[in-house]
Order: sequence, then structure tokens, then C-alpha cells
Amino acid sequence: DAMVIQNPRYQVTQFGKPVTLSCSQTLNHNVMYWYQQKSSQAPKLLFHYYDKDFNNEADTPDNFQSRRPNTSFCFLDIRSPGLGDAAMYLCATSRDGSTSWTDTQYFGPGTRLTVL
Amino acid sequence: AQSVTQLDSQVPVFEEAPVELRCNYSSSVSVYLFWYVQYPNQGLQLLLKYLSGSTLVKGINGFEAEFNKSQTSFHLRKPSVHISDTAEYFCAVSRNTGNQFYFGTGTSLTVIP
Repeated sequence: DAMVIQNPRYQVTQFGKPVTLSCSQTLNHNVMYWYQQKSSQAPKLLFHYYDKDFNNEADTPDNFQSRRPNTSFCFLDIRSPGLGDAAMYLCATSRDGSTSWTDTQYFGPGTRLTVL
Repeated sequence: AQSVTQLDSQVPVFEEAPVELRCNYSSSVSVYLFWYVQYPNQGLQLLLKYLSGSTLVKGINGFEAEFNKSQTSFHLRKPSVHISDTAEYFCAVSRNTGNQFYFGTGTSLTVIP
């Protein structure tokens, strides 16, 4: 089945130690998204790629970076994790995206990040 | 700015009873509206969405929602719930310009046997 895969499902890192979360997709979708979801809060969009075009939300901290080396893979890099970055990180894809947000997004199961 | 408010964080309901999950949004421009569901240990998946046209939208698993522009609401309904409907439900809104997609905080639906 075509799907969105996130590895690992659980990640533990130390305060200030860089960490990378991975997302891959077999849907061949143009758009990939990263969301941060803290406990009892709404998922919050961090950034998205429309093909190779990177789009950062205005309030996404500089500590968060992303890479998309090819259509299938997208990475979330947290350069210096703080305790406040502990959250569930959700990856999603959509087929087109264009200039309107009407497309269905397909989500992975998420990676839960713990910062010690 | 836009926001999405899900008024109920938890909704318990007995099996085969009807349910309504409430969602209100704030926006001064035309919006697109979505409901996503998250089953335990799974990713979010789309239940239904309103883009334009008929204000009553039917989705998967017997769910439907009605767009009410005057009340800025998009409540989700099901006439008879099953145990398998136990999940977290998220309302979301976007608009036709800009990079903006907003989720609500979610409503946890628990269906009681």
C-alpha cells in the first residue's frame, strides 16, 4: 500500500544534541509537510516543500531546518533541541498543493521526540 | 489571522447514539474546511472537506458536516456511532491564498458499549 512512513516512531535526544527525524512516502506526491504537535495542542505547521521549493512558516524557529533530497524523502533537523521541543512530529504529503490548500493531506504515524 | 475552535475536548457517547462534534472558525475571507480523524497509533486521515458548493458534505464512515457561513461553523455529525469510531477528531481550516493551514486542538470521541 502506498503510504507515508516516519522513522523512528520514538526518538530520545539530549538537550542541545542535534537530532534528525525522517519521513518517506511512496505516494509520489509533490508536497511534503512537517507539523509539530505538543500535548493537548493542535498540530502546528512548521514548513512544507512544494517539490523542491521550501516554504517556512513565519513563526517557525530557526532551530528547525528541513531537507528534501528527492521526491520520496524529507528530513526534519533540530539543531539544538530544547525541553520545549519535546512533541509529536507529523509528516504529511499531498498530491499537488499549487497555491491553494484544498488537497487532501496524507499523514504518517508521527515521531514522538523526548528531550532529556 | 485564523483560528479554529473545537469546543469539546472530550465527548463520550453510547454506541448507536448520534454524535455532534463542534468546530468554529474565525476568518474574514473565504476558507476551506476539513475534518481529520486519528485512530490510536495511526496517522491522521481525511474524513471530509468543504471547498465550495453544497454546504452539506458527506464523508467516509457515515460522517457528515455542514458548513454554516453565518455562524462560522463546520460541525461534524454521525447519526449512529460504533465502537470503532473511538478516535481523536481534528477540524482544520485553510484559505485560498498564502501558506496557511490551521488545525483545532482536537476532540476525543469515546464510544461506550
